[in-house]
Amino acid sequence: KNQVEQSPQSLIILEGKNCTLQCNYTVSPFSNLRWYKQDTGRGPVSLTIMTFSENTKSNGRYTATLDADTKQSSLHITASQLSDSASYICVVSYSNSGYALNFGKGTSLLVTP
Amino acid sequence: NAGVTQTPKFRVLKTGQSMTLLCAQDMNHEYMYWYRQDPGMGLRLIHYSVGEGTTAKGEVPDGYNVSRLKKQNFLLGLESAAPSQTSVYFCATRGPYEQYFGPGTRLTVT
Repeated sequence: KNQVEQSPQSLIILEGKNCTLQCNYTVSPFSNLRWYKQDTGRGPVSLTIMTFSENTKSNGRYTATLDADTKQSSLHITASQLSDSASYICVVSYSNSGYALNFGKGTSLLVTP
Repeated sequence: NAGVTQTPKFRVLKTGQSMTLLCAQDMNHEYMYWYRQDPGMGLRLIHYSVGEGTTAKGEVPDGYNVSRLKKQNFLLGLESAAPSQTSVYFCATRGPYEQYFGPGTRLTVT
């Protein structure tokens, strides 16, 4: 059972527009939440990582938010660019775990001209 | 500084054949991982290692073996490939703050 659910599954937006991707998780106990960007044919690359005490973190045009009470996170992309076309993966880490990362299935984003 | 590299990038096997995927890292990280990524599914952990000479099973270890004889290398072996092992395989290391992924190996088993 996948304990990390992402929505939407896919999204198409026009270049220059903003968008928000959602991640809900049931992982417990919670250690941290990460957002990764995966370009087609490449490995995932980290965008942000947030611990329990953080509720927002930015990386350029990417802003991630975390509500640990409701177990929800979002990734907001501002002024989208064609290069933002990729899969965005939400990953939740267990506490007391040396290895376990629970991966969402990802949201596939296509930015069109 | 190459980070995490994987060889080969692509491979086609026939059912029953064997092969080894090589992962190499130059970041001196203790933790290394092998994942598989299938369409419509999140990455799933196959095996991992917390240091040279140690390995452990992940979520989907059946049909795979691993070895970590040197700190910088993590090998994934398929002794008798099956069509169900057609997938994209990613190696990763864990640094102080995040995981670093290799570029992936696309394996097709016919």
